[in-house]
Parts: sequence; C-alpha cells; structure tokens
Amino acid sequence: NAGVTQTPKFRVLKTGQSMTLLCAQDMNHEYMYWYRQDPGMGLRLIHYSVGEGTTAKGEVPDGYNVSRLKKQNFLLGLESAAPSQTSVYFCASRSYGYGYTFGSGTRLTVV
Amino acid sequence: RKEVEQDPGPFNVPEGATVAFNCTYSNSASQSFFWYRQDCRKEPKLLMSVYSSGNEDGRFTAQLNRASQYISLLIRDSKLSDSATYLCVVLLSNDYKLSFGAGTTVTVRA
Repeated sequence: NAGVTQTPKFRVLKTGQSMTLLCAQDMNHEYMYWYRQDPGMGLRLIHYSVGEGTTAKGEVPDGYNVSRLKKQNFLLGLESAAPSQTSVYFCASRSYGYGYTFGSGTRLTVV
Repeated sequence: RKEVEQDPGPFNVPEGATVAFNCTYSNSASQSFFWYRQDCRKEPKLLMSVYSSGNEDGRFTAQLNRASQYISLLIRDSKLSDSATYLCVVLLSNDYKLSFGAGTTVTVRA
C-alpha cells in the first residue's frame, strides 16, 4: 500500500520554465490537496480538489494550475517558474471526517 | 486573527521530562482536531486525533477544551526521538480543508 506518491522528489528549474508535479494516491480518497512549505512558515494551501474533475483555489494559487482528471491523480503545474516558487511542495489526500495523508514532498528550486 | 495558533517554542527538555503545549482555534464550529508530527525536511505524519473526552496513545495525551477553544498535547517520559515540530490541525464540520498551525518545536536533549 503506497499511500500518497509524489514525483519528482527533487527538481531544479530555470526561471520561466514549466513543469508538472504529479501526486498519486491509492486509498480511494475523495479529497486531494497541494501545499507549499517555506522555511519558518507553515503549510500554505495552493489548490485542492473535492472530487474527480473538480478543483478549487486555496490561499496562494497564483502562478499554479491544477487538474484532476482521474480520482487517484492530482497534478500541479507551474507555467512559468519564478524564484519565489522555490519551496517544498506536499500533496495530501483524505476522506471526509479524517485527517490528511501526505506524500513525501517535492523539493523545487527555481534559479 | 489566525484560525489556528500555536506557541512556536522551541521547548528544550531533557530526556525523561514531561512537556506540554497548547493550540488555540478561532472558529467555534470546528469539529475535528488532530496533532501531526513533522521531522525536519519530511512530510507531516498523523500523531493522533483528538477526541472530546481526551485520549491517550502511549506516552502522548491529547485534550480538547471546547469552551476555551484550545487543544493540548502532553508528552511523558520524553525520548530523543520525540524531537520534532508538532502541528495542530483543525477541521470545520462543513469544510473540505484542514487549517494548520505553524507548529511547536520540541527538542529533547540527552
């Protein structure tokens, strides 16, 4: 039982490049989330999804897009990466009434 | 006012000591409460849910005070391996997302 799997684990991008982070869960959870965590700051919600085909904005959505075409996958896209998007990105999933299960994170550096 | 507030610490305690800290939440409609543990550069992991009557899991005890809108975590007989950041997490009954505190750092020294 893999839980929540994030790929890639590490990535270095140049300013202006694009990339997609993949999150996959095998727990049949309805809800999925993308967070970022910066040094000295808590987790900040980027986007989330309450079901296949639905997405919603979180606290810090600017510069990111998401898609949930399949229930088990939640993709986070950066169209034109900026140094301010250097961060650790965590994906999480949950069922109603329960807490989150997190992926192990993606460490992204934009130079 | 932040939805969830925690004392950032750090709490520096010797092995074997007891350490306790609180978390306050602002929305009285909050229904579910959790403590997560996060080790440096790792993902948060669920430590325990917090129930209305309070609950224990080994050396960890969680309490909920709805009247004063806070939850607490107590760690008995601290181990070096308890060194981590502890995140308070709150869920509204009709919300899809959980609100996180910024975390309380605990360092247990030999």
